[in-house]
Amino acid sequence: EVQLVESGGGLVQPGGSLRLSCAASGFSFSSSAMGWVRQAPGKGLEWVSLINAGNTYYTDSVKGRFTLSRDNSKNTLHLQMNSLRAEDTAVYYCAKFGNYCFDSWGQGTLVTVSS
Amino acid sequence: QSALTQPASVSGSPGQSITISCTGTSSDVGGYNYVSWYQQYPGKAPKLMISDVSNRPSWVPNRFSGSKSGNTASLTISGLQAEDEADYYCCSFTGSTIRYVFGTGTKVTVL
Repeated sequence: EVQLVESGGGLVQPGGSLRLSCAASGFSFSSSAMGWVRQAPGKGLEWVSLINAGNTYYTDSVKGRFTLSRDNSKNTLHLQMNSLRAEDTAVYYCAKFGNYCFDSWGQGTLVTVSS
Repeated sequence: QSALTQPASVSGSPGQSITISCTGTSSDVGGYNYVSWYQQYPGKAPKLMISDVSNRPSWVPNRFSGSKSGNTASLTISGLQAEDEADYYCCSFTGSTIRYVFGTGTKVTVL
């Protein structure tokens, strides 16, 4: 059974940083593309970032501020978020990516950017 | 990249069929057969319901089906059940650079 467990969310001031992690199990992590999708309070889903074997991709609003990486030895995905803004406030979902869709999701971790 | 357009709400009685539309452009929905659909209950994570326009994962009841015509994709729920009351989102691959765009979301109400 695929399991994705996010951690690292919390309250941070504007301009601050947070590092989200996603612990994966139940599938071949090293050979799977992975991504993050966020959902602002009361709003819809927004794709944030994707990583496959060799490349990373970002939505325009986070380019240059967020960095996605993976540690295949620990089956863990990381999202380093810098220069955070109020509009980054959201629940961040880690998702396994396959066949051009997000086929498994974690429970999400809340990031709140506020002074 | 603007979000794909979905109706804010759709409703139906138990046993009826409803269809949720998802309208994009030739750069996303119309340009690729990579449209997926997700179901989300309040406070819960989304769940994949349809991939590649019309492929249904093993865990999805065959009451759910997907299709596409031009720049508009659709999700149809046949034989609507109370448990289908949830939010639904479409998603499409888009553009020359690898990226994805979600729809605005549709709240399905079972009357």
